[in-house]
Amino acid sequence: GQSLEQPSEVTAVEGAIVQINCTYQTSGFYGLSWYQQHDGGAPTFLSYNGLDGLEETGRFSSFLSRSDSYGYLLLQELQMKDSASYFCAVRGNYGQNFVFGPGTRLSVLP
Amino acid sequence: DVKVTQSSRYLVKRTGEKVFLECVQDMDHENMFWYRQDPGLGLRLIYFSYDVKMKEKGDIPEGYSVSREKKERFSLILESASTNQTSMYLCASSSPAGRGSEAFFGQGTRLTVV
Repeated sequence: GQSLEQPSEVTAVEGAIVQINCTYQTSGFYGLSWYQQHDGGAPTFLSYNGLDGLEETGRFSSFLSRSDSYGYLLLQELQMKDSASYFCAVRGNYGQNFVFGPGTRLSVLP
Repeated sequence: DVKVTQSSRYLVKRTGEKVFLECVQDMDHENMFWYRQDPGLGLRLIYFSYDVKMKEKGDIPEGYSVSREKKERFSLILESASTNQTSMYLCASSSPAGRGSEAFFGQGTRLTVV
């Protein structure tokens, strides 16, 4: 089967750095993605790692280690608008589908 | 602007009714997905389709069926709605792996079964 684990909640203050970890089990791994979802909104794509290493997109970075079945999302210079739920997702089943983790709710405090 | 459109934002249906949730995408994507989202459980895959008239069961297909008669449209059907199907339903589409890494989501349909 396919499954992902991530922390349920993280709290940090404005300007800080936070890391959200994700471990996964899947067959036919085809990459790890991260999505952001604000309350009442749809999930929106943040980043994708198909190979090991770090991908950087502005204040957000994502890391993947395929040998450890592990990845993380790093958010720097946190802003209040970053308060949202963050989901890791694997493209599994040889690329046919996306399986999502349970989500991490990030609260950014002033 | 790329778009995935779900036919209703909110729906209220009675137990036992047959319910249709419609999803249309304008990106010519081969892959389409239906998820339900419940607090603490994340997004759970109900069904997906990688081509017209093709469908595959996801993790929680019981009580649901799907239809994909045209490439741009993917319908989720609740044959006989039950209260435990009250949830947020999200449709998504994507290119096949190797041609795209992102899933694009619709705004969701909040279904209440009474």
